[in-house]
Amino acid sequence: VVLTQSPVTVSLSPGERATLTCRASPSVSNSLAWYQQKPGQPPRLLIYDSSNRATGIPARFSGSGSGTDFTLTISSLEPEDFAVYYCQQRSHWPLTFGGGTKVEIK
Amino acid sequence: QVQLVESGGGVVQPGRSLRLSCEASGFTFNNYGMHWVRQTPGKGLEWVAVISYDGSNSFYGDSVKGRVTVMRDNSKNTLFLQLDSLRADDTAIYYCAKDIRQRGTLNYFDLWGQGTLVTVSS
Repeated sequence: VVLTQSPVTVSLSPGERATLTCRASPSVSNSLAWYQQKPGQPPRLLIYDSSNRATGIPARFSGSGSGTDFTLTISSLEPEDFAVYYCQQRSHWPLTFGGGTKVEIK
Repeated sequence: QVQLVESGGGVVQPGRSLRLSCEASGFTFNNYGMHWVRQTPGKGLEWVAVISYDGSNSFYGDSVKGRVTVMRDNSKNTLFLQLDSLRADDTAIYYCAKDIRQRGTLNYFDLWGQGTLVTVSS
């Protein structure tokens, strides 16, 4: 399964809304997760099964979508949210990741 | 505390072997499936392998199948990855990661180690 994330980079200011997309080919039903990664750190699970927040993840992070089109929304960016975000599917073997979207400070 | 600590990375020549370890603490290791995921600047994140909580089942990514073996020792809370016939494109940071589901695998990763760097070079 190929996961295509867009945009590759987005420049936003703290307090703004971020909308990241992940397109799957072929369909992955709702079997998609989102991870956040900061420099020098491993990824952190944010969302699984398209819309379920992982333990301890703030409510400003939300996920939606099914089939081929998915969205991660950060309702109001905090300074610690500037990072790279990856999607990952579990619907088909092998498990695959998208190429990432970097959210940078404008 | 709840953590995963990888070790065993280093510089290795093409064609040689390496064994990575991942020591788990702070959770009931033998209740969870475990994964290896690797990361390179050029290819991003790539899932490598998974092993079931009891070690009875394992699956591998296409690029490593036949060259990699995942194992676990539940008595020592330790996960292993045996890498054979290493190639330059195996150069990456290797992370171990815990599956989110108990007594099964949902194939999402809710705890990651800090990673161990493997460099394949002559």
